[in-house]
Amino acid sequence: GAVVSQHPSWVICKSGTSVKIECRSLDFQATTMFWYRQFPKQSLMLMATSNEGSKATYEQGVEKDKFLINHASLTLSTLTVTSAHPEDSSFYICSARDLRDTDIQYFGAGTRLSVL
Amino acid sequence: RKEVEQDPGPFNVPEGATVAFNCTYSNSASQSFFWYRQDCRKEPKLLMSVYSSGNEDGRFTAQLNRASQYISLLIRDSKLSDSATYLCVVNKRDSSASKIIFGSGTRLSIRP
Repeated sequence: GAVVSQHPSWVICKSGTSVKIECRSLDFQATTMFWYRQFPKQSLMLMATSNEGSKATYEQGVEKDKFLINHASLTLSTLTVTSAHPEDSSFYICSARDLRDTDIQYFGAGTRLSVL
Repeated sequence: RKEVEQDPGPFNVPEGATVAFNCTYSNSASQSFFWYRQDCRKEPKLLMSVYSSGNEDGRFTAQLNRASQYISLLIRDSKLSDSATYLCVVNKRDSSASKIIFGSGTRLSIRP
């Protein structure tokens, strides 16, 4: 199946710093990528839809100034958690849809963020 | 009411047993359906797509019932490695865009 690479897989940072997470589709082009957050023992929560060449669409309750999304190419989307706080500690997962088959999402391996 | 609903479980069954999960969806505009599997602290991985005619992949069988708006997953001869959370995923499309909606997942634990 298609491969989505997410980096870093794990990050620990101090409160107040910003963290950037990259999501790359390695063998296909993706006009749309998605960013999810998952707290322990809870379901995936869609944060935003990242559209190549345009602004991201954020879900209700997700602060766009806090979670900056950039989708500058067909294979790369980035999520920056600005001024991170301990409550932002979570598992962040990206996914991408192949242009050729937009019904299936392929997931990155996730980024575990711990804010001290 | 959630757009996609699943029994959270956990289902705790012995190795070798057959286990089935259902998932209901509320929007009749939903057009494609999937089961994903998520292991603890890992990303979801596509298990199988679900078609009206039903589809089978080894020990796994998926069914779609559009009239009653539910999909099912049947696992036969369950293995210890089947222990995971199973996510029901529904894709609905309208004239402007498609939206993928995840259920909250059903936890399955296979015991020796």
